Amino acid sequence: GAVVSQHPSRVICKSGTSVKIECRSLDFQATTMFWYRQFPKQSLMLMATSNEGSKATYEQGVEKDKFLINHASLTLSTLTVTSAHPEDSSFYICSAAARDTGLGYTFGSGTRLTVV
Amino acid sequence: RKEVEQDPGPFNVPEGATVAFNCTYSNSASQSFFWYRQDCRKEPKLLMSVYSSGNEDGRFTAQLNRASQYISLLIRDSKLSDSATYLCVVHTGRRALTFGSGTRLQVQP
Repeated sequence: GAVVSQHPSRVICKSGTSVKIECRSLDFQATTMFWYRQFPKQSLMLMATSNEGSKATYEQGVEKDKFLINHASLTLSTLTVTSAHPEDSSFYICSAAARDTGLGYTFGSGTRLTVV
Repeated sequence: RKEVEQDPGPFNVPEGATVAFNCTYSNSASQSFFWYRQDCRKEPKLLMSVYSSGNEDGRFTAQLNRASQYISLLIRDSKLSDSATYLCVVHTGRRALTFGSGTRLQVQP
């Protein structure tokens, strides 16, 4: 089946630094990747939709200059949290859609970010 | 109003019990429906899709009522390993999934 690899699984960083999270589709080409964020005891909230070779589409209320998304190839999308603050501490999960499907169905294992 | 609403629980049930979760969605144009399972601090995993005719997978039965915009999940003969958060998920045609906040199930010995 389709596998999505997400790294790192856990990261602790200092306030004001940037953190990059990678999401790779290992055995299929992902034209679209979705980035979600989940705060404790809350649902996954879509942050942005990343399309290979074009700009990401951000959901309302998500700062595109703070959460930089790059989807330069059909197998890799990255999310960079710039100038991280404690309120950015959350569980970030990517989901990839294969070329011939219409929705993201395979999830990465998630990245737990803690900003201190 | 949230797009997908679920009772957060927790549902505390003994082993062997039957438990049912409900979910409502607001967008009548929603096309596809799923139940996902999420263990603590892990990514969600697909449990089953939900079809209009209702579908069963072992101890799990899912139902969809489009007229009422209502989805349900029934778990029979609960196991300790069923303890998790169950997420009601809807595809609204925006090419992304919309998640409910989840219903937490704790099966007790």
